[in-house]
Amino acid sequence: EAQVTQNPRYLITVTGKKLTVTCSQNMNHEYMSWYRQDPGLGLRQIYYSMNVEVTDKGDVPEGYKVSRKEKRNFPLILESPSPNQTSLYFCASSPARGLHEQYFGPGTRLTVT
Amino acid sequence: KNEVEQSPQNLTAQEGEFITINCSYSVGISALHWLQQHPGGGIVSLFMLSSGKKKHGRLIATINIQEKHSSLHITASHPRDSAVYICAPWGVRDDKIIFGKGTRLHILP
Repeated sequence: EAQVTQNPRYLITVTGKKLTVTCSQNMNHEYMSWYRQDPGLGLRQIYYSMNVEVTDKGDVPEGYKVSRKEKRNFPLILESPSPNQTSLYFCASSPARGLHEQYFGPGTRLTVT
Repeated sequence: KNEVEQSPQNLTAQEGEFITINCSYSVGISALHWLQQHPGGGIVSLFMLSSGKKKHGRLIATINIQEKHSSLHITASHPRDSAVYICAPWGVRDDKIIFGKGTRLHILP
C-alpha cells in the first residue's frame, strides 16, 4: 500500500530534550516536505527536499533541522525543543513539486512542556 | 497581508445543497492544490490544477490564473463532506507551498 508513515504519532517532551520525528514514504517520491499546523495559523511549511541531499527552508524553519540521506526518509529534528514548537506536524511527499498530488502522513502531535 | 485568502471561513449547510468555497491568492503560481482535512486530522489531496477545471465525482475545482482565483464546488452535499477544505498554491518562483487558513464545512442531515 502506498503510504507516508510518521513516528511517533504522539509525543510529550520537555524543553531542551532533543527529539526526532521520522517520516518515510514507499512511493519513490522525489519531493518531501514537513509542515506544522497551529490553530488560527493553519498549515505552514517548515522544510522541504527536492531530492536526496537537497533540502531547503520553508516559511518557518527556525528551531528545526532536516536531512535527506535516502530517498524514502526525511526526518525532522528538534535539537532543543521549546514550548512554541508544540504543534501538529505533517510530513508529505509527491513525485515532484507543483503539478503532482501530495500524499500526507497521519500527523504527529507534539507537546513541549 | 495574507498571500492566500479563503472564504467563507465557516459554512453550515443542509444536506443536498450546492457548496462553493473560494480561494484568492496574490502571488504568481505554478499550480494550486485543494486539500481536505477530516475531523480526525488526516489530510488528503482532492485536486491539483494549473488551469481550467477538474471534476471528481461530486467535487469540481476551477482556477482562473489571470484573476488569481480558484473555487471548489460540492454538488449534492452530504454529511460525510463535513471537513476543513484548504487551498494551497505553489509559488512559481520557488518550490514552496503556501496555505489558506481553511474553510470549515458542516453539512447537516
